[in-house]
Amino acid sequence: AQSVAQPEDQVNVAEGNPLTVKCTYSVSGNPYLFWYVQYPNRGLQFLLKYITGDNLVKGSYGFEAEFNKSQTSFHLKKPSALVSDSALYFCAVRDPKAAGNKLTFGGGTRVLVKP
Amino acid sequence: DTGVSQDPRHKITKRGQNVTFRCDPISEHNRLYWYRQTLGQGPEFLTYFQNEAQLEKSRLLSDRFSAERPKGSFSTLEIQRTEQGDSAMYLCASSLVGGGIYEQYFGPGTRLTVT
Repeated sequence: AQSVAQPEDQVNVAEGNPLTVKCTYSVSGNPYLFWYVQYPNRGLQFLLKYITGDNLVKGSYGFEAEFNKSQTSFHLKKPSALVSDSALYFCAVRDPKAAGNKLTFGGGTRVLVKP
Repeated sequence: DTGVSQDPRHKITKRGQNVTFRCDPISEHNRLYWYRQTLGQGPEFLTYFQNEAQLEKSRLLSDRFSAERPKGSFSTLEIQRTEQGDSAMYLCASSLVGGGIYEQYFGPGTRLTVT
């Protein structure tokens, strides 16, 4: 079975400072990993993915994430946070060997960027 | 590309009533997914379709829930005899199998409140 853990319920950061949102996963094979962002009363918006290749992947709005196989982690990062980055962030994993491609999500991390 | 749309955005119903939600995926996408998200949690997979065939159902999808995708385009999710525990955000997502696209694109969701 696949699972995702986001160990921090909330991350507070000052505007302009680096932002990191942590994610660890468990899957039987090589994972497909995703980050999504959710604004209030909205659906999930895709940020970035890791499928294969370079461990550092870049996505929308200046976000990037680093895949670390030995630590089974896929942390989301942004060098300089903006107030508008305040939202709920979800990490998700998919087992490419499983039928279909359902996503398993973590519990989410609320990011609050203070001016 | 108008994105994934869902209707209605909000639904308030009394316990015991039946409700039906609609999802229109991105037009060329052949896979359609339903997820449920309760407050403070990540989305949980309910079911998915490949074209018109329903290929997987989660154990979360009780007998009171039924989903259809009759022509391989839009989908409906019906909940019969609603219970207060059904109150949640119901998210629809779509994806295109093949072509190097792995992510799912989500609609804005239908928020169900059962009173």
